[in-house]
Amino acid sequence: AAGVIQSPRHLIKEKRETATLKCYPIPRHDTVYWYQQGPGQDPQFLISFYEKMQSDKGSIPDRFSAQQFSDYHSELNMSSLELGDSALYFCASSQTQGARETQYFGPGTRLLVL
Amino acid sequence: AQSVTQPDIHITVSEGASLELRCNYSYGATPYLFWYVQSPGQGLQLLLKYFSGDTLVQGIKGFEAEFKRSQSSFNLRKPSVHWSDAAEYFCAVGVPGTASKLTFGTGTRLQVTL
Repeated sequence: AAGVIQSPRHLIKEKRETATLKCYPIPRHDTVYWYQQGPGQDPQFLISFYEKMQSDKGSIPDRFSAQQFSDYHSELNMSSLELGDSALYFCASSQTQGARETQYFGPGTRLLVL
Repeated sequence: AQSVTQPDIHITVSEGASLELRCNYSYGATPYLFWYVQSPGQGLQLLLKYFSGDTLVQGIKGFEAEFKRSQSSFNLRKPSVHWSDAAEYFCAVGVPGTASKLTFGTGTRLQVTL
């Protein structure tokens, strides 16, 4: 079965640089979520999109932005990177089925900021 | 706002022994409940989920969980642990509705001794 695809899998950036993370949801899934997992931490919700509209927003820094495109893939743009942004970034997708949604996670993008 | 507590940070069991991982949630009504497993450096794999109905749910890899409304709990169980079950286990809660974020517990790290 098709899974959530994330690219790149690993990314190394310098402080103050920008990064773009991409997420390709499972086919026919209409909702995308982004989570950040720091070392030894649980995943923290950043932002979500349903049918290409932002549906919810969590603890996402103002330096970060995201969008969902017409083909339902999503991109997380991160600017002015800080050391503390080093983390594993997960994308998850779901299909709205009478609100009984199950989120399926991608393998994550490991971002290291030096 | 919903919250999840996993009281056990680290659990060690012998291979072949039974396992129970605890999860307690806080929410004003019945939430959606999930268990995910994460191997080191890997993504989150869904083990099982509960929306409503039968309070004992079966998942993959021989895992099951029981929803107990009176105790606000959703404990994960497995009758006989295999060495390959060693991983981090996350309980998560979602609010019924469209495009609802997940709130994760802090995780329980399972170590399996041979």
